[in-house]
Amino acid sequence: NAGVTQTPKFQVLKTGQSMTLQCAQDMNHEYMSWYRQDPGMGLRLIHYSVGAGITDQGEVPNGYNVSRSTTEDFPLRLLSAAPSQTSVYFCASSYLGGLETFGPGTRLTVT
Amino acid sequence: GNSVTQMEGPVTLSEEAFLTINCTYTATGYPSLFWYVQYPGEGLQLLLKATKADDKGSNKGFEATYRKETTSFHLEKGSVQVSDSAVYFCALTQGGSEKLVFGKGMKLTVNP
Repeated sequence: NAGVTQTPKFQVLKTGQSMTLQCAQDMNHEYMSWYRQDPGMGLRLIHYSVGAGITDQGEVPNGYNVSRSTTEDFPLRLLSAAPSQTSVYFCASSYLGGLETFGPGTRLTVT
Repeated sequence: GNSVTQMEGPVTLSEEAFLTINCTYTATGYPSLFWYVQYPGEGLQLLLKATKADDKGSNKGFEATYRKETTSFHLEKGSVQVSDSAVYFCALTQGGSEKLVFGKGMKLTVNP
């Protein structure tokens, strides 16, 4: 059981570039989510999904897109990166109503 | 809406010192409460949890009691170790939801 995996671990982008942060889980969890972690702000929910084909916005969704074509994968897309998106991004998953398991994180820097 | 307020630090303690990290919450109904820990360079791990009033969560020498009357879930450890150096987050979920609401986190450094 690999749990929740995220790639890449580190990424540097220039302003305006696009990229996708990958997240996968092998626990057959229905629920998946993306958080960003910023100093002094804790973790804030970006987007979440309660199952394949279903996504919804969290607290800070602007500038990010998600899709959930399979139960296992929940990629996060930045269409046009901005310096304000410099952060550490965590993916998490759980059974519906269960406790989330977190991935190791992706550290993104936008210059 | 739901929110969590916790001590922000950073805090530096000597080994074997007593630790308290305050956490209070605002929520309707009866949330579940959690403490997560993030060791340097790692993701978040669940440290302990409590799902109803007066429950005490405990793990690795840490304890926290769900106090509904004071809407608090303070984290305590009687004797910290260097290996406890980490960032600690208080969090809640509500109504069977999976969505976690986090406090801002507190960085703890323990010196030998």
